[in-house]
Amino acid sequence: LAKTTQPISMDSYEGQEVNITCSHNNIATNDYITWYQQFPSQGPRFIIQGYKTKVTNEVASLFIPADRKSSTLSLPRVSLSDTAVYYCLVGDLNSGTYKYIFGTGTRLKVLA
Amino acid sequence: GAVVSQHPSRVICKSGTSVKIECRSLDFQATTMFWYRQFPKQSLMLMATSNEGSKATYEQGVEKDKFLINHASLTLSTLTVTSAHPEDSSFYICSASRDRSTDTQYFGPGTRLTVL
Repeated sequence: LAKTTQPISMDSYEGQEVNITCSHNNIATNDYITWYQQFPSQGPRFIIQGYKTKVTNEVASLFIPADRKSSTLSLPRVSLSDTAVYYCLVGDLNSGTYKYIFGTGTRLKVLA
Repeated sequence: GAVVSQHPSRVICKSGTSVKIECRSLDFQATTMFWYRQFPKQSLMLMATSNEGSKATYEQGVEKDKFLINHASLTLSTLTVTSAHPEDSSFYICSASRDRSTDTQYFGPGTRLTVL
């Protein structure tokens, strides 16, 4: 079972801010929260990673509350090219090596 | 930095043949590499985890004799699909991790395998 739960799909309009929330109730102390973007027939692309509070980079912000049981990816002013599937992942430590268990992801559709 | 390549990007083969897919970390040394499979409209499914110089760890339900994984160096891992059949047709994606403490994985562009 995936360790994360996200909405299956979302629609937005160009220029709007999009917030995608992910639940990870069983997150472990050592787990980081990582978000990826995937276009059709491409490998996932790293967007942002955080451990707690807020992280911001040139493409997105990540908000993590104190209990770390959820996180929100914020995409400012989306464009049509942001239409993709977004995955929220936390590492699953297994015999000393983290691995990802992918959930359904959130299919974001940006409309003109 | 953190670029991962895969070769080939797509391959078509006849049923019963074997296909090798290469995964390379171009600008970093990968302590661990992962192989995933993705069917249309579905999420990525982890097949196996490999550490350089040791045997791969396969996920439940993945046949290790059919999907041979070799991780001979810190920058190269290969996946060989042996005696491929049409049901093996899928999108195969590798990823590489360079930092165990944060578990960030960097993904390759994927390989589209079609078995006729």
